[in-house]
Amino acid sequence: DAGVTQSPTHLIKTRGQQVTLRCSPKSGHDTVSWYQQALGQGPQFIFQYYEEEERQRGNFPDRFSGHQFPNYSSELNVNALLLGDSALYLCASRAGGNEQFFGPGTRLTVL
Amino acid sequence: GQNIDQPTEMTATEGAIVQINCTYQTSGFNGLFWYQQHAGEAPTFLSYNVLDGLEEKGRFSSFLSRSKGYSYLLLKELQMKDSASYLCAVPQFAAAGNKLTFGGGTRVLVKP
Repeated sequence: DAGVTQSPTHLIKTRGQQVTLRCSPKSGHDTVSWYQQALGQGPQFIFQYYEEEERQRGNFPDRFSGHQFPNYSSELNVNALLLGDSALYLCASRAGGNEQFFGPGTRLTVL
Repeated sequence: GQNIDQPTEMTATEGAIVQINCTYQTSGFNGLFWYQQHAGEAPTFLSYNVLDGLEEKGRFSSFLSRSKGYSYLLLKELQMKDSASYLCAVPQFAAAGNKLTFGGGTRVLVKP
C-alpha cells in the first residue's frame, strides 16, 4: 500500500503565476482534503472532495480551486499566486472513518 | 466556530516526561486527534479520543476531559527522535463531509 502520494515535492513559482498540485489517495479511500500549512503553524483546511464534488470549503479565496477525478485522485489549483501562498500543501484522504491519512506534502515557494 | 490552543514550544531532556496541553472550544464535539509532525514531513496519527479518560499507547498517552474542553498528550521516556511538532485537532462533521481544525502545534525539543 503506497499510502497518500503527492507531487511535486517542491515547487518554486513567481508572483502572479498559477500552480497545480496533485494527490493520489490511499488505496480504498474516496475522500480527499487539502490543507495549507504555513511555517510554524498548524494546517488550515482548504476544501474537501467526495464523489468528484467539493463538499466543504474553508476560508480561502476563489483563487484556490480543485478537482477530483473518477479514480479519486485530486488536484489543487492556485491562480494569481501571492507571496503569502508560500506554504506546505498537504493532502489527506479517508474512507469514511474519522481518521485522515496525510501525504508528504508539496512545499510551494512563491518569489 | 472552533478555537484550539496549545503551547508554542516545549523543551525537555532525553528520558524525561513532557505533557502537552490542548484546550478547545467547539460548536459540537466529535473527538480529538493528536498528530506528530517532524519538520518538513506529513502529520502522522498518534491518537483519537472520544470519551473522557486516559488512553495509553506505549510511551505515548492521551487524556480527554470533555466537560473542561481539555486534552493532553503525555510523552514518557523521551527519545531524541521525539523532537517534533505535536498537533491537536478536532473534526467538524457536516452532512457533506468532515474537516479537521488544528491548533498551531507545539514544537518539542528533546535535549541530550
